[in-house]
Amino acid sequence: DAKTTQPTSMDCAEGRAANLPCNHSTISGNEYVYWYRQIHSQGPQYIIHGLKNNETNEMASLIITEDRKSSTLILPHATLRDTAVYYCIVVPNTGKLIFGQGTTLQVKP
Amino acid sequence: DGGITQSPKYLFRKEGQNVTLSCEQNLNHDAMYWYRQDPGQGLRLIYYSQIVNDFQKGDIAEGYSVSREKKESFPLTVTSAQKNPTAFYLCASRRLKDAAYEQYFGPGTRLTVT
Repeated sequence: DAKTTQPTSMDCAEGRAANLPCNHSTISGNEYVYWYRQIHSQGPQYIIHGLKNNETNEMASLIITEDRKSSTLILPHATLRDTAVYYCIVVPNTGKLIFGQGTTLQVKP
Repeated sequence: DGGITQSPKYLFRKEGQNVTLSCEQNLNHDAMYWYRQDPGQGLRLIYYSQIVNDFQKGDIAEGYSVSREKKESFPLTVTSAQKNPTAFYLCASRRLKDAAYEQYFGPGTRLTVT
């Protein structure tokens, strides 16, 4: 499975957009990019996934570069409740999810 | 948590005792998973089941056992053979949507063994 690289931590001001980067330079053609987040002491929450096109849902937007070697998760208007660890995962469609260390996002008032 | 129930939220056991963690889902998902999370770490896969009456070992299956007699249920037994059982245990189920899989997690059970 392709490896991902994320910053260890990031801060974001409440009400501003949070842009979380992820590098996955070894991604192969059949691998999807998934994003999950985990609020302290809770189970991970599915956010969004994509293959090569940009995706948007009620929670976030996912921007995937044309070469697919990196992606950015965008939370358009971060709130204090968005403070969590965000995991970027790259996996074949039928493969298992492998969670790394993720990015700890701290949303500040 | 999307219809996945794990109980209890906190569980305490004495060393040497087996303990079973429950996981129930009403999402009609075929695949179910058990993960373990240690403080400050990512999730590690213990066991998974793609279909009823079938399951496979994950990366850290030693000291654990599972069963999948019903689609809705995937209990995990932590045996006395597990060297470091104290951890946060997460159950998940998965569905296929728009040609990709979405995995949903339960709220977790925090097991403390003393």
